[in-house]
Amino acid sequence: DAKTTQPTSMDCAEGRAANLPCNHSTISGNEYVYWYRQIHSQGPQYIIHGLKNNETNEMASLIITEDRKSSTLILPHATLRDTAVYYCIVSPYSRTYKYIFGTGTRLKVLA
Amino acid sequence: GAVVSQHPSRVICKSGTSVKIECRSLDFQATTMFWYRQFPKQSLMLMATSNEGSKATYEQGVEKDKFLINHASLTLSTLTVTSAHPEDSSFYICSARAGGEETQYFGPGTRLLVL
Repeated sequence: DAKTTQPTSMDCAEGRAANLPCNHSTISGNEYVYWYRQIHSQGPQYIIHGLKNNETNEMASLIITEDRKSSTLILPHATLRDTAVYYCIVSPYSRTYKYIFGTGTRLKVLA
Repeated sequence: GAVVSQHPSRVICKSGTSVKIECRSLDFQATTMFWYRQFPKQSLMLMATSNEGSKATYEQGVEKDKFLINHASLTLSTLTVTSAHPEDSSFYICSARAGGEETQYFGPGTRLLVL
């Protein structure tokens, strides 16, 4: 079973920030938080990952709470092309590196 | 960087035939590759983990004799669906991870339709 829970769907106005929450209350100390998105009929696209510090790259920002039990992915200025299913995954730094996908959040960016 | 390709992108076959899907890491060496299956409106389900030069590890409920995985080189893994049936119709996606790398990179997927 997936170790994360996410809202099933969210809407966001174009140009506004999209804040996607993820709950991972059973996360272990050696587990990273990864975010991917999947646009219809394509493979998942890597967005960002982190261990305990907040992270930012050209696509998004990742805010991880101090207790690491939840995180938020922020798309600062959502565009129509950001419409996708967003997956939050926790995975340990181990040889198996398995990802267990949950149901994800279907983000719809509205014009 | 970190590009993973799959071939073919779409395949249609007759029931009872076998189909081979290739997964390649184009700009890095992948010590570990993963195969997933995704049915319509569902999430990705991990099928198996393959490490270069060793046998694949299959997830519970996945038939290893039906879904043959070969990871003969650091840039290529293949998934062969043997004696395919209509219920095997699905979207098959591979991912690859370089040694010591934390992140998996996914291929574009292969849509299989078994008639």
